[in-house]
Amino acid sequence: EVQLVESGGGLVQPGGSLRLTCVASGFTFSSNWMTWVRQAPGKGLEWVANIKADGSEKYYVDSLKGRFTVSRDNAKNSLYLQMSSLRVEDTAVYYCARDVFRPTSIGGALYYYYYMDVWGKGTTVTVSS
Amino acid sequence: DIQMTQSPASLSASVGDRVTITCRASQRITTYLNWYQQKVGEAPKLLIFAASTLQSGVPSRFSGSGSGTDFTLTISSLQPEDLATYYCQQNYKVPRSFGQGTKVQIK
Repeated sequence: EVQLVESGGGLVQPGGSLRLTCVASGFTFSSNWMTWVRQAPGKGLEWVANIKADGSEKYYVDSLKGRFTVSRDNAKNSLYLQMSSLRVEDTAVYYCARDVFRPTSIGGALYYYYYMDVWGKGTTVTVSS
Repeated sequence: DIQMTQSPASLSASVGDRVTITCRASQRITTYLNWYQQKVGEAPKLLIFAASTLQSGVPSRFSGSGSGTDFTLTISSLQPEDLATYYCQQNYKVPRSFGQGTKVQIK
């Protein structure tokens, strides 16, 4: 069964740090881009960061650059999100997702589609004093 | 960054109704558009990618259309299990932003 399981969430004080882990099973983890998405209580989805299959490329939403770091260990089928200088507004459910890369030729043009087809159940981070 | 705007923010419809949700991108994104469904207390689920390609296992009452800046998700005959919030997401460039969501309620 294809599965993603997040862990590492919890209660942390403002200014603190936390590392989230996402463990993959049932597919070839080392062949896939992976993404972190978060959702604040009662709010919509926010794309946080992603990382290429071999870890050589990483991208972040501008507002989190410098505080959050995405990484992976393909030998352990694991994705990580290191979060530092946490703020109250970082309180959210954090999801990891498999990011499928699908090059498609349409009418002679090449399109490079990405979509998230497998999601974990999420881990909750609460930043509060 | 590309801004994604969905409308309406919420809607209420009866079982069997045709429901349409729109999503507009702040710049042209050709067909780099995904749709997700999120039920209360659950993780999002992929419905449609590349603007109109139905993900495997998704009921055929869901369909997507559009190109450029304007996109549509249609539920041809609303079912009780479609109660959820729906999000569009662009994958034209990073950060791969989402729309703010459309909450679908059943009358």
